[in-house]
Formats: sequence, C-alpha cells, structure tokens
Amino acid sequence: KQEVTQIPAALSVPEGENLVLNCSFTDSAIYNLQWFRQDPGKGLTSLLLIQSSQREQTSGRLNASLDKSSGRSTLYIAASQPGDSATYLCAVRPGANSKLTFGKGITLSVRP
Amino acid sequence: NAGVTQTPKFQVLKTGQSMTLQCAQDMNHEYMSWYRQDPGMGLRLIHYSVGAGITDQGEVPNGYNVSRSTTEDFPLRLLSAAPSQTSVYFCASALGPSGANVLTFGAGSRLTVL
Repeated sequence: KQEVTQIPAALSVPEGENLVLNCSFTDSAIYNLQWFRQDPGKGLTSLLLIQSSQREQTSGRLNASLDKSSGRSTLYIAASQPGDSATYLCAVRPGANSKLTFGKGITLSVRP
Repeated sequence: NAGVTQTPKFQVLKTGQSMTLQCAQDMNHEYMSWYRQDPGMGLRLIHYSVGAGITDQGEVPNGYNVSRSTTEDFPLRLLSAAPSQTSVYFCASALGPSGANVLTFGAGSRLTVL
C-alpha cells in the first residue's frame, strides 16, 4: 500500500527565504504526483502536477521535482512571501485509474 | 463563478440524526468525489462517481451514501450520524476519471456530531 509522508509537519521561515518542502512515498511505481495548497478554512488548490515521465514542473516561483527511484518529490518556493503561508499537501496516484493517496501536509508560515 | 459549490459550510448534528451534504459543479465534469479530512489522518476518499448513474466506494465508505442522478450534483448522505463522523468534508470534481485530470475542490463543509 502506497504511503505518503511529509516532514516536518510545520515550518516557519522569514520572508524572502528560498525553501524546500519534502514529500516521500513508499512505492516508486507511480502514475503522477500533485502538489496542492490549502488555505485555512478553504479547499485544496492544485499547484503542480508531475507525470511519472517528467522530472520537474514549474509555475512562477514554484518548482516541483520528482525522483521516482528514491521515492521523493520536492516543492521549491523561491523568495517566499507572507502570502505563501498555507498548508502544502502532496498526493500520489499509483496508476492511471487509481485514486490519490495524500500526505498529511506541511503547514508553512512566512514571517514578515 | 465556475467551480465546486458545497452546502452547508457548517453543521452541528446530534448522534443518530441524518443529513445531506450538497455538492454541485458547473464545469460539466464527469468525475466527482467526496473526501473527509481529519487531523493527523490526511484526506481520505469516501465515495466517487465517474458519471451520472455510476457511483463506487472509496477508502472509508461506511456510514455514508451517495447518488448521482445528474452530472452536476453529487450529494453525500449520513443516515445516522455518529461522533466519529465529525470532520471536514470536501467535494472534488475532474473532467474525467483519468489520473491525468486535475481535481477541483470545493471550500469544504465542517460537520460536528455531538
């Protein structure tokens, strides 16, 4: 059974810092991996989706990488801002018709 | 605004009461699903539907019923609420069931069962 782990559970950084959020998964045979953002009291918003054949995806200040062989993905946030404060979740899809397995998320706080 | 709409946003129930959480989307998405989010547990799939008239169970279906009579609506029914069903519930939809499609989430419904 696929398990997704995100450590640490919470992170606090000063504004302007470049930071990396980690996601690890136990089964390297995946179809794709997604990173989501969740603001307090809100639903999830998809940030980036990486197919198994891809190594990385970029959107603005966000860059997500995927290393299937080591069972890891990282979300890189450049020049962090207070508006980046949220919970970031990664989710793995084992197969094309499989359901997503979510990590528990990393709660990020960017201090002004 | 296009998207996934959930009602109600907040609800308090007593043990044994029944209720329905509503979910509607106006994006003509074939795939719809319900998740629950609990502290320390992450999101878990309750039920899902790949089209009108078709539903299937997810990871934690016990205590919940669903139906899909139209493409737009996917209500989640609690027939006899239990304190263990206290949670935040999210409805999510996608263009189709293929894993290549990105899920669009609603804002959530926070349910407390006393």
